[in-house]
Amino acid sequence: KAGVTQTPRYLIKTRGQQVTLSCSPISGHRSVSWYQQTPGQGLQFLFEYFSETQRNKGNFPGRFSGRQFSNSRSEMNVSTLERGDSALYLCASSLEGLPTDTQYFGPGTRLTVL
Amino acid sequence: QQPVQSPQAVILREGEDAVINCSSSKALYSVHWYRQKHGEAPVFLMILLKGGEQKGHDKISASFNEKKQQSSLYLTASQLSYSGTYFCGTAAIWTTDSWGKLQFGAGTQVVVTP
Repeated sequence: KAGVTQTPRYLIKTRGQQVTLSCSPISGHRSVSWYQQTPGQGLQFLFEYFSETQRNKGNFPGRFSGRQFSNSRSEMNVSTLERGDSALYLCASSLEGLPTDTQYFGPGTRLTVL
Repeated sequence: QQPVQSPQAVILREGEDAVINCSSSKALYSVHWYRQKHGEAPVFLMILLKGGEQKGHDKISASFNEKKQQSSLYLTASQLSYSGTYFCGTAAIWTTDSWGKLQFGAGTQVVVTP
């Protein structure tokens, strides 16, 4: 089975721009969770999507948004980028997003905001 | 609330053993262990569900003490390939805040030397 894929792998943007990141889950997985990883804050939960609906959201400003398509692929968008948004953005897929489900991570998108 | 991992770092010689602890102040439903190598995505190691079970993966095993809300990861007869940062991710007892969300500890850096 193919793993979780994320595109692009690397992005360089300037402050004020917006960015869209893409995540394709493992076939059959319907839940996609997004995390931000930084050296200072570690892995922080952004949000989770299931059946095209956001079911859960972490403590991030409204500039961070996402969506999920009918094939379970997900995108996240960050508008009005700030330098502090520089991070590794990871998506993880699981069968249904239950606490008993294993989350499998993609390789991540490394975002640098200049 | 983030679980607390200890120690922050450990240096081992090949063949030595180590224990990594993960403690939560919340009642937990499951504990997920991952290993991340530099520049790569976290790789799933094992999941432990409430009930105090112990699991193993090659010479890496883990336990979950439900009474203490603590999980321990045991690295036995360490190999060079065990180097990396180990994270525990916890899922709290079921609430509406639970969908697809893992709370991660700050990580334990493990270095195995020849």
